[in-house]
Amino acid sequence: EAQVTQNPRYLITVTGKKLTVTCSQNMNHEYMSWYRQDPGLGLRQIYYSMNVEVTDKGDVPEGYKVSRKEKRNFPLILESPSPNQTSLYFCASSLSGVGRRGEQYFGPGTRLTVT
Amino acid sequence: ELKVEQNPLFLSMQEGKNYTIYCNYSTTSDRLYWYRQDPGKSLESLFVLLSNGAVKQEGRLMASLDTKARLSTLHITAAVHDLSATYFCAVNGDDYNTDKLIFGTGTRLQVFP
Repeated sequence: EAQVTQNPRYLITVTGKKLTVTCSQNMNHEYMSWYRQDPGLGLRQIYYSMNVEVTDKGDVPEGYKVSRKEKRNFPLILESPSPNQTSLYFCASSLSGVGRRGEQYFGPGTRLTVT
Repeated sequence: ELKVEQNPLFLSMQEGKNYTIYCNYSTTSDRLYWYRQDPGKSLESLFVLLSNGAVKQEGRLMASLDTKARLSTLHITAAVHDLSATYFCAVNGDDYNTDKLIFGTGTRLQVFP
């Protein structure tokens, strides 16, 4: 089954404790992206990757890191989480390329609480 | 900066009634998406609208796109409780970051008996 998976689905942590949220897709998609969803603000893009070893900032990248060492995986790293990073996070992927836009498929979401 | 606005933000409607959700966006975009989200769940793709005048229908939902007016509508016909959810429209936001989505703030729909 074609899908985007995320782990963990729920996470409660404390300020400053490094964490990683994993994202994996099995559709051979080139484009992968992370969004956060906050009440009243909708979904905003954090980072994206257009291919292996190619990543760039989205609209709200502060406090986050990403890497894309393999095509299927795109982990989101919070080196020193803070309470304002409490949010619902979605990973998404799409088949993209030069001159082509792809429909994005979303993972199930990770609800993160930082105390 | 591309902005996407939806209205209304909240919609409470009786079963059997019709209503329309509006999505306006501020700059040109060559495609528009509609998603549905149930509480605590992921986003489910409903429609992808690719060109001016595009109309797509699925069950009681029909979406249309007017690229000249930069407007999309999601029309609900004879609402049922199962349609209760939050609906988002989104457009592609950047010529370089080709698949980046700019989302509207969502319309929370509640259908009651």
